[in-house]
Amino acid sequence: AQSVAQPEDQVNVAEGNPLTVKCTYSVSGNPYLFWYVQYPNRGLQFLLKYITGDNLVKGSYGFEAEFNKSQTSFHLKKPSALVSDSALYFCAVRDLSGGGADGLTFGKGTHLIIQP
Amino acid sequence: EAGVVQSPRYKIIEKKQPVAFWCNPISGHNTLYWYLQNLGQGPELLIRYENEEAVDDSQLPKDRFSAERLKGVDSTLKIQPAELGDSAVYLCASSPGQESGTEAFFGQGTRLTVV
Repeated sequence: AQSVAQPEDQVNVAEGNPLTVKCTYSVSGNPYLFWYVQYPNRGLQFLLKYITGDNLVKGSYGFEAEFNKSQTSFHLKKPSALVSDSALYFCAVRDLSGGGADGLTFGKGTHLIIQP
Repeated sequence: EAGVVQSPRYKIIEKKQPVAFWCNPISGHNTLYWYLQNLGQGPELLIRYENEEAVDDSQLPKDRFSAERLKGVDSTLKIQPAELGDSAVYLCASSPGQESGTEAFFGQGTRLTVV
């Protein structure tokens, strides 16, 4: 079975400061990892993904994430936060052990609040 | 390119009534998902289609929920009869296929309120 944990319900960051939203995962085999963002009354928007290759992946809106296999983590980061980054962020995983046959499993989400 | 289209955006019904949601995926996407998102929670997979075949419906409450994807394009999710606990956002998503590792693209969802 695959699972995702987002240990923080909410993260507060001052505008201009770096931000980190944490995610850890559990899979039987190798993972595909994703970050999505959700604004109020909107669907989920894709930010970035890790499939293979470099552990640091870059995505939309200046976000990046670092895959750490030994710590089974995929934390989302941004060097300088904007007020417009305030939203609900979801980490998701797909286990490749079954040939990637499973759907995405999402974490519970982390509210990111950027304070002016 | 049009994204995933869902309708209606909002639906309010009385308990025990039936309700249906419609989804039109991105053109050419073989994989279609229906997710349930409760308030303050992450999306939970209900059913996944590969073309017209339901390949994973293990989380679909089959006593009251049903889904179809005729011709492997549009899909409909139905609840009959609806219960108070079904109030949630129902999200549809599509992707080109499972093997490629591509991301899923989500629609805006249908917010269901059962009163």
